[in-house]
Amino acid sequence: DQQVKQNSPSLSVQEGRISILNCDYTNSMFDYFLWYKKYPAEGPTFLISISSIKDKNEDGRFTVFLNKSAKHLSLHIVPSQPGDSAVYFCAAKIGHDMRFGAGTRLTVKP
Amino acid sequence: KAGVTQTPRYLIKTRGQQVTLSCSPISGHRSVSWYQQTPGQGLQFLFEYFSETQRNKGNFPGRFSGRQFSNSRSEMNVSTLELGDSALYLCASSAAGGWTDTQYFGPGTRLTVL
Repeated sequence: DQQVKQNSPSLSVQEGRISILNCDYTNSMFDYFLWYKKYPAEGPTFLISISSIKDKNEDGRFTVFLNKSAKHLSLHIVPSQPGDSAVYFCAAKIGHDMRFGAGTRLTVKP
Repeated sequence: KAGVTQTPRYLIKTRGQQVTLSCSPISGHRSVSWYQQTPGQGLQFLFEYFSETQRNKGNFPGRFSGRQFSNSRSEMNVSTLELGDSALYLCASSAAGGWTDTQYFGPGTRLTVL
């Protein structure tokens, strides 16, 4: 059941520009959303999160936006750096239940 | 604090065999979740354990089972392996698995079924 969808399997951006990763969800009961980053041969690492009562959360170069009416989540990375190249997963939670998207591979070119 | 550890890191099995994977959570964490990652499918939730009890379960067949010990370490077992079970199996721990608890992932066990 694809309750969380990342429709872009890959994204390529130039160093210094903005990276925008998108995520859509179908279950309006999700109340907490997260982004994880994954490098090859490592487990995903937590990046940033947002609760459903907010529409924006910032942490340094990373900002997550939540549009509840559209059931849409996005992650903005500004400015993008080559070290940001990784697979990014969005996730949505209801209580203890967390569902992930399929991931978007971000490549930041120098 | 040491991170989440998973053993073994790599495993090759043949169809019909069974396999047991192990996960040691971060010290003090009581919730352990298991995920299967396959190309194009992302992370599929298998189950979550808290205080030795399965608290939540994903949509996987009964061949996939798990347990948690009193020290919070967890094992996952897959019986009668199929080719489609080849995947990266990830374990994640959190303090209590609560609403805003962050899950910390281990490096995963890469299972190949021949």
